[in-house]
Amino acid sequence: GQSLEQPSEVTAVEGAIVQINCTYQTSGFYGLSWYQQHDGGAPTFLSYNALDGLEETGRFSSFLSRSDSYGYLLLQELQMKDSASYFCAVRTGGGNKLTFGTGTQLKVEL
Amino acid sequence: DAGVIQSPRHEVTEMGQEVTLRCKPISGHNSLFWYRQTMMRGLELLIYFNNNVPIDDSGMPEDRFSAKMPNASFSTLKIQPSEPRDSAVYFCASSQFGDRVYNEQFFGPGTRLTVL
Repeated sequence: GQSLEQPSEVTAVEGAIVQINCTYQTSGFYGLSWYQQHDGGAPTFLSYNALDGLEETGRFSSFLSRSDSYGYLLLQELQMKDSASYFCAVRTGGGNKLTFGTGTQLKVEL
Repeated sequence: DAGVIQSPRHEVTEMGQEVTLRCKPISGHNSLFWYRQTMMRGLELLIYFNNNVPIDDSGMPEDRFSAKMPNASFSTLKIQPSEPRDSAVYFCASSQFGDRVYNEQFFGPGTRLTVL
């Protein structure tokens, strides 16, 4: 089976940088993905890492270390609209099936 | 594109009644996923289809749940009989199947189900 761990809640100040960590245990691993979900909304795709290293997309970056079974999502220049839940998810086979973590609720304060 | 379409958006029913949730995936996508989200259990994959064929239904809670995909543009998730513990938000998502390449899942707006 698969298990993922991420913090349940993170609070940060507008304009700051925040890092949300994710550790996983899986039988087979293809990649790590991140999704954002605002309250009352649907999850939306942020990033996907198949190889070790950092992927940058605007203010958001995602990192993966396959040897450590670890990844993180880095959010820079935080804005109030970044307040949402962030889910890491592992892909463990061909196709696009994902197993989601329990999510991290990010609160951005003034 | 209209995105993934789900109906109804809200459903309130009484215990023992049959509930049918509907999903229209994005045109051209050939993978479809049904998820359930609750505070206690998070976002759980119930079942997914490739090319209208169920590939993995290991997440379906019990025999009361069934899912079909009669064609590439329509899928249903049925609960019969419904129970209060089925209350949750049910999401449908679709993607373009990729074996070596990962293609993101696009989620619908969800159906909020309340079973009284």
